[in-house]
Amino acid sequence: DGGITQSPKYLFRKEGQNVTLSCEQNLNHDAMYWYRQDPGQGLRLIYYSQIVNDFQKGDIAEGYSVSREKKESFPLTVTSAQKNPTAFYLCASSRFTGYVYGYTFGSGTRLTVV
Amino acid sequence: AQSVTQPDIHITVSEGASLELRCNYSYGATPYLFWYVQSPGQGLQLLLKYFSGDTLVQGIKGFEAEFKRSQSSFNLRKPSVHWSDAAEYFCAVVAGGGSQGNLIFGKGTKLSVKP
Repeated sequence: DGGITQSPKYLFRKEGQNVTLSCEQNLNHDAMYWYRQDPGQGLRLIYYSQIVNDFQKGDIAEGYSVSREKKESFPLTVTSAQKNPTAFYLCASSRFTGYVYGYTFGSGTRLTVV
Repeated sequence: AQSVTQPDIHITVSEGASLELRCNYSYGATPYLFWYVQSPGQGLQLLLKYFSGDTLVQGIKGFEAEFKRSQSSFNLRKPSVHWSDAAEYFCAVVAGGGSQGNLIFGKGTKLSVKP
Protein backbone atom coordinates (compact mmCIF):
# COMPACT_ATOMS: atom_id res chain seq x y z
CA ASP A 1 0.00 0.00 0.00
CA GLY A 2 1.15 3.50 -0.73
CA GLY A 3 1.73 5.88 2.06
CA ILE A 4 4.11 8.05 4.04
CA THR A 5 6.59 6.62 6.49
CA GLN A 6 8.08 8.76 9.22
CA SER A 7 10.91 7.53 11.38
CA PRO A 8 11.70 7.27 14.14
CA LYS A 9 8.42 7.44 16.02
CA TYR A 10 10.17 8.80 19.12
CA LEU A 11 13.40 10.77 19.18
CA PHE A 12 15.36 12.26 22.01
CA ARG A 13 17.81 15.10 21.53
CA LYS A 14 20.42 16.47 23.83
CA GLU A 15 20.99 20.17 24.08
CA GLY A 16 23.18 21.42 21.22
CA GLN A 17 22.62 18.41 19.01
CA ASN A 18 21.28 18.34 15.49
CA VAL A 19 18.80 15.58 14.73
CA THR A 20 17.24 14.47 11.46
CA LEU A 21 13.70 13.22 11.03
CA SER A 22 13.01 10.96 8.10
CA CYS A 23 10.01 11.17 5.77
CA GLU A 24 9.57 8.82 2.81
CA GLN A 25 6.56 8.48 0.50
CA ASN A 26 5.74 5.99 -2.23
CA LEU A 27 2.67 7.80 -3.52
CA ASN A 28 4.49 9.47 -6.40
CA HIS A 29 3.44 12.81 -4.95
CA ASP A 30 5.32 15.87 -6.08
CA ALA A 31 4.75 18.09 -3.05
CA MET A 32 5.89 17.36 0.49
CA TYR A 33 5.46 19.30 3.71
CA TRP A 34 6.70 19.42 7.29
CA TYR A 35 4.44 20.61 10.10
CA ARG A 36 5.09 21.11 13.77
CA GLN A 37 2.28 20.42 16.22
CA ASP A 38 2.17 21.73 19.79
CA PRO A 39 -0.77 21.27 22.15
CA GLY A 40 -3.45 23.86 21.47
CA GLN A 41 -1.51 25.36 18.56
CA GLY A 42 -2.75 23.35 15.64
CA LEU A 43 -0.31 22.60 12.83
CA ARG A 44 2.30 25.13 11.79
CA LEU A 45 4.13 24.83 8.49
CA ILE A 46 7.92 24.55 8.73
CA TYR A 47 9.03 23.87 5.16
CA TYR A 48 7.50 22.61 1.96
CA SER A 49 8.76 21.39 -1.39
CA GLN A 50 6.84 21.24 -4.62
CA ILE A 51 9.55 19.66 -6.77
CA VAL A 52 12.88 17.94 -6.34
CA ASN A 53 15.80 20.21 -5.45
CA ASP A 54 13.51 23.05 -4.47
CA PHE A 55 11.92 23.96 -1.17
CA GLN A 56 10.39 26.96 0.52
CA LYS A 57 10.24 28.24 4.07
CA GLY A 58 6.97 28.06 5.88
CA ASP A 59 5.82 30.08 8.85
CA ILE A 60 8.31 28.76 11.41
CA ALA A 61 11.43 27.74 9.47
CA GLU A 62 14.00 29.21 11.86
CA GLY A 63 16.17 26.51 13.40
CA TYR A 64 15.19 23.90 10.84
CA SER A 65 16.62 22.75 7.52
CA VAL A 66 15.45 20.38 4.80
CA SER A 67 16.62 18.78 1.59
CA ARG A 68 14.76 17.30 -1.37
CA GLU A 69 17.25 15.28 -3.38
CA LYS A 70 14.75 12.60 -4.30
CA LYS A 71 11.06 12.81 -5.02
CA GLU A 72 10.33 10.19 -2.39
CA SER A 73 12.28 11.73 0.47
CA PHE A 74 12.05 14.98 2.43
CA PRO A 75 14.15 14.80 5.62
CA LEU A 76 13.93 17.50 8.26
CA THR A 77 16.91 18.49 10.39
CA VAL A 78 16.25 20.17 13.70
CA THR A 79 19.35 22.18 14.42
CA SER A 80 20.78 23.39 17.69
CA ALA A 81 19.50 26.84 16.72
CA GLN A 82 15.95 25.68 17.37
CA LYS A 83 15.53 26.68 21.00
CA ASN A 84 12.34 24.83 21.74
CA PRO A 85 12.30 21.71 19.57
CA THR A 86 10.16 19.48 21.77
CA ALA A 87 7.04 18.86 19.67
CA PHE A 88 5.23 16.41 17.44
CA TYR A 89 6.38 16.62 13.82
CA LEU A 90 4.19 15.61 10.92
CA CYS A 91 5.18 15.07 7.33
CA ALA A 92 2.61 15.23 4.53
CA SER A 93 2.49 14.96 0.77
CA SER A 94 0.13 15.83 -2.06
CA ARG A 95 -0.01 15.66 -5.81
CA PHE A 96 1.52 18.72 -7.41
CA THR A 97 -1.84 20.29 -7.98
CA GLY A 98 -3.28 17.99 -5.40
CA TYR A 99 -3.89 20.29 -2.53
CA VAL A 100 -7.46 20.23 -3.70
CA TYR A 101 -7.44 16.54 -2.90
CA GLY A 102 -6.02 17.13 0.52
CA TYR A 103 -2.81 15.92 2.01
CA THR A 104 -1.71 12.46 3.05
CA PHE A 105 -0.02 12.51 6.44
CA GLY A 106 2.55 10.29 8.06
CA SER A 107 2.08 9.04 11.61
CA GLY A 108 4.48 11.57 13.08
CA THR A 109 7.70 11.77 15.08
CA ARG A 110 7.67 12.95 18.67
CA LEU A 111 10.87 14.80 19.48
CA THR A 112 11.89 15.44 23.07
CA VAL A 113 14.85 17.43 24.33
CA VAL A 114 16.56 15.75 27.28
CA ALA B 1 -4.36 36.52 4.99
CA GLN B 2 -6.58 33.49 5.20
CA SER B 3 -7.31 32.06 8.60
CA VAL B 4 -9.35 29.33 10.19
CA THR B 5 -11.00 29.55 13.59
CA GLN B 6 -12.28 26.65 15.60
CA PRO B 7 -14.02 28.31 18.54
CA ASP B 8 -14.31 25.20 20.71
CA ILE B 9 -11.10 23.80 22.18
CA HIS B 10 -12.75 20.81 23.83
CA ILE B 11 -16.22 19.29 23.49
CA THR B 12 -17.72 16.38 25.39
CA VAL B 13 -20.77 14.54 24.10
CA SER B 14 -22.53 11.38 25.17
CA GLU B 15 -22.33 8.33 22.98
CA GLY B 16 -25.30 8.29 20.62
CA ALA B 17 -25.80 12.04 20.80
CA SER B 18 -25.44 14.32 17.82
CA LEU B 19 -22.30 16.35 17.22
CA GLU B 20 -21.49 19.66 15.61
CA LEU B 21 -17.97 21.07 15.48
CA ARG B 22 -17.64 24.66 14.39
CA CYS B 23 -15.25 26.12 11.85
CA ASN B 24 -15.09 29.67 10.55
CA TYR B 25 -12.77 30.87 7.83
CA SER B 26 -11.73 34.21 6.50
CA TYR B 27 -11.27 34.29 2.75
CA GLY B 28 -12.83 36.47 0.08
CA ALA B 29 -13.40 33.97 -2.69
CA THR B 30 -14.83 30.47 -2.52
CA PRO B 31 -12.40 28.56 -0.36
CA TYR B 32 -11.24 24.99 -0.54
CA LEU B 33 -12.15 23.55 2.86
CA PHE B 34 -11.23 20.35 4.64
CA TRP B 35 -11.88 18.50 7.86
CA TYR B 36 -9.25 16.14 9.26
CA VAL B 37 -9.29 13.84 12.28
CA GLN B 38 -6.31 12.89 14.43
CA SER B 39 -6.21 10.03 16.91
CA PRO B 40 -3.71 10.42 19.77
CA GLY B 41 -0.11 10.08 18.63
CA GLN B 42 -1.11 9.61 15.02
CA GLY B 43 -1.15 11.55 11.79
CA LEU B 44 -4.18 13.27 10.31
CA GLN B 45 -6.81 11.54 8.23
CA LEU B 46 -9.00 13.37 5.73
CA LEU B 47 -12.69 13.22 6.62
CA LEU B 48 -14.18 15.33 3.85
CA LYS B 49 -13.57 18.31 1.59
CA TYR B 50 -15.49 21.08 -0.14
CA PHE B 51 -14.55 22.88 -3.33
CA SER B 52 -17.78 23.95 -5.00
CA GLY B 53 -21.27 22.75 -5.82
CA ASP B 54 -23.52 21.13 -3.27
CA THR B 55 -22.92 22.86 0.03
CA LEU B 56 -23.57 19.70 2.05
CA VAL B 57 -20.73 17.26 1.68
CA GLN B 58 -20.54 13.71 2.91
CA GLY B 59 -17.39 12.19 4.28
CA ILE B 60 -16.09 9.02 5.80
CA LYS B 61 -17.17 7.53 9.12
CA GLY B 62 -20.66 9.02 8.84
CA PHE B 63 -19.53 12.65 9.02
CA GLU B 64 -20.93 15.50 6.94
CA ALA B 65 -20.23 19.21 6.73
CA GLU B 66 -22.16 22.16 5.43
CA PHE B 67 -20.62 25.17 3.73
CA LYS B 68 -22.39 28.42 4.51
CA ARG B 69 -20.97 31.34 2.63
CA SER B 70 -23.10 33.90 4.44
CA GLN B 71 -21.67 32.78 7.76
CA SER B 72 -18.17 31.92 6.53
CA SER B 73 -18.61 28.58 8.19
CA PHE B 74 -17.93 24.93 7.45
CA ASN B 75 -19.29 23.02 10.43
CA LEU B 76 -18.79 19.30 10.84
CA ARG B 77 -21.72 17.16 11.97
CA LYS B 78 -22.52 13.60 12.88
CA PRO B 79 -26.00 12.43 13.86
CA SER B 80 -24.91 9.81 16.38
CA VAL B 81 -21.46 9.77 17.95
CA HIS B 82 -19.60 6.55 18.67
CA TRP B 83 -16.95 6.12 21.34
CA SER B 84 -14.39 5.59 18.59
CA ASP B 85 -14.99 9.15 17.37
CA ALA B 86 -13.06 10.51 20.34
CA ALA B 87 -10.15 12.33 18.71
CA GLU B 88 -9.01 15.79 17.72
CA TYR B 89 -10.58 17.42 14.70
CA PHE B 90 -8.97 20.03 12.50
CA CYS B 91 -10.56 22.33 9.97
CA ALA B 92 -8.31 23.58 7.19
CA VAL B 93 -8.46 25.95 4.25
CA VAL B 94 -6.18 26.25 1.25
CA ALA B 95 -4.18 29.45 1.21
CA GLY B 96 -5.71 30.76 -1.98
CA GLY B 97 -4.81 33.37 -4.50
CA GLY B 98 -2.97 30.81 -6.57
CA SER B 99 0.16 31.14 -4.48
CA GLN B 100 1.49 28.03 -2.83
CA GLY B 101 -1.78 26.36 -2.12
CA ASN B 102 -0.67 25.29 1.31
CA LEU B 103 -3.18 24.25 3.89
CA ILE B 104 -3.87 26.52 6.85
CA PHE B 105 -5.13 24.61 9.87
CA GLY B 106 -7.29 25.67 12.76
CA LYS B 107 -6.06 24.94 16.27
CA GLY B 108 -8.29 21.92 16.58
CA THR B 109 -11.22 20.74 18.67
CA LYS B 110 -10.72 17.81 20.97
CA LEU B 111 -13.76 15.55 21.18
CA SER B 112 -14.40 13.40 24.22
CA VAL B 113 -17.22 10.85 24.23
CA LYS B 114 -18.99 9.85 27.43
CA PRO B 115 -20.35 6.31 27.68
